[in-house]
Amino acid sequence: DVKVTQSSRYLVKRTGEKVFLECVQDMDHENMFWYRQDPGLGLRLIYFSYDVKMKEKGDIPEGYSVSREKKERFSLILESASTNQTSMYLCASSTWAGLAKNIQYFGAGTRLSVL
Amino acid sequence: AQKITQTQPGMFVQEKEAVTLDCTYDTSDPSYGLFWYKQPSSGEMIFLIYQGSYDQQNATEGRYSLNFQKARKSANLVISASQLGDSAMYFCAMPLSGTYKYIFGTGTRLKVLA
Repeated sequence: DVKVTQSSRYLVKRTGEKVFLECVQDMDHENMFWYRQDPGLGLRLIYFSYDVKMKEKGDIPEGYSVSREKKERFSLILESASTNQTSMYLCASSTWAGLAKNIQYFGAGTRLSVL
Repeated sequence: AQKITQTQPGMFVQEKEAVTLDCTYDTSDPSYGLFWYKQPSSGEMIFLIYQGSYDQQNATEGRYSLNFQKARKSANLVISASQLGDSAMYFCAMPLSGTYKYIFGTGTRLKVLA
């Protein structure tokens, strides 16, 4: 079974702190994604990566950066956390199975509260 | 523009009964896939079932099946013999044309009643 592991289920941080959210997958997937999920707004893509050291902006990249130094690990960084970044963050991965059959596998999510 | 529409914000079903969750989509791609995910209150998105546009038969995975009507651009999820553990949010999704990114519907919250 594919396993996508997010380092924390719950996280509480202060405004202005630098926050790291870590995601590790064990299936040698090329693609990795970071989403945030908010009530009424659905899932929104922040960044994705299709290879080591490669990244592309998603729909809402402002205030975030990412790092992918190893294939299995994709980190989301909040350079200076703000209260409007309080949200549920979901990591996902997928492989090159053809665009039509690109199944994304998700981690358990991190609920981040910024106070 | 590509779009996924889930028109049922919430649904109730009695335990052991079947329920259908609606999903319509709009795409101009000749080849595409449709995916359903379950999100329990714990937050994890769980992949349930996949339907390819060229698949001859409707997809089935255990108690989950897809009622795929290509001409109507609908891919409804059918859950048979509902269980209390099926209470969750359900999302329909498809890849954004030419990319590995998904577009998601707004979800349907299903509540199974004992």
